[in-house]
Amino acid sequence: GAGVSQTPSNKVTEKGKYVELRCDPISGHTALYWYRQSLGQGPEFLIYFQGTGAADDSGLPNDRFFAVRPEGSVSTLKIQRTERGDSAVYLCASSLRGFSGRVMSNEQFFGPGTRLTVL
Amino acid sequence: GIQVEQSPPDLILQEGANSTLRCNFSDSVNNLQWFHQNPWGQLINLFYIPSGTKQNGRLSATTVATERYSLLYISSSQTTDSGVYFCAVDTSGSRLTFGEGTQLTVNP
Repeated sequence: GAGVSQTPSNKVTEKGKYVELRCDPISGHTALYWYRQSLGQGPEFLIYFQGTGAADDSGLPNDRFFAVRPEGSVSTLKIQRTERGDSAVYLCASSLRGFSGRVMSNEQFFGPGTRLTVL
Repeated sequence: GIQVEQSPPDLILQEGANSTLRCNFSDSVNNLQWFHQNPWGQLINLFYIPSGTKQNGRLSATTVATERYSLLYISSSQTTDSGVYFCAVDTSGSRLTFGEGTQLTVNP
């Protein structure tokens, strides 16, 4: 595929349930990002992977949120014991992060998002 | 952390009009991107512009990194230009910090 894909496009769940959201980055992109967007706001950073490892998870709101990228490509965002406040659009992005001359080039491309609704 | 402010928050235009959207940021940046979020929520890359000027059709952008601002110009606006325009910056070659966006409505 040409772009970042995310599944499912919509997820409705009940408070307290566990959910998994999947992201397929652009082929060959080494960096992968998760963001969360609430209504009327800009996306907010959650976690960033370089390869298989989480290079920065400082945006995860609490320990109910966890993400993996075991083979350095597909990533899964996992949310335990969902709460109504977790309802948002979860966006994934990928980039060919690397140096262009002396500057770190990191243009990010976004998927269509997963709209999560917690009832 | 870095602060990103966009103005105006809302803009209503008649088809054919021109507009300028502004993005101010509070610290030095490694990268800056402009996005258009369409009514279906998809973020579409417009420009990757940490400095200088770029043009793509009716759209152009200028970033003056030393003065910590970027401008997005839309000329001869069309109804399909409607949506939210976001500016996003990164300071270290990793996470993007987004502004609150400019909601653009272009009326026929």
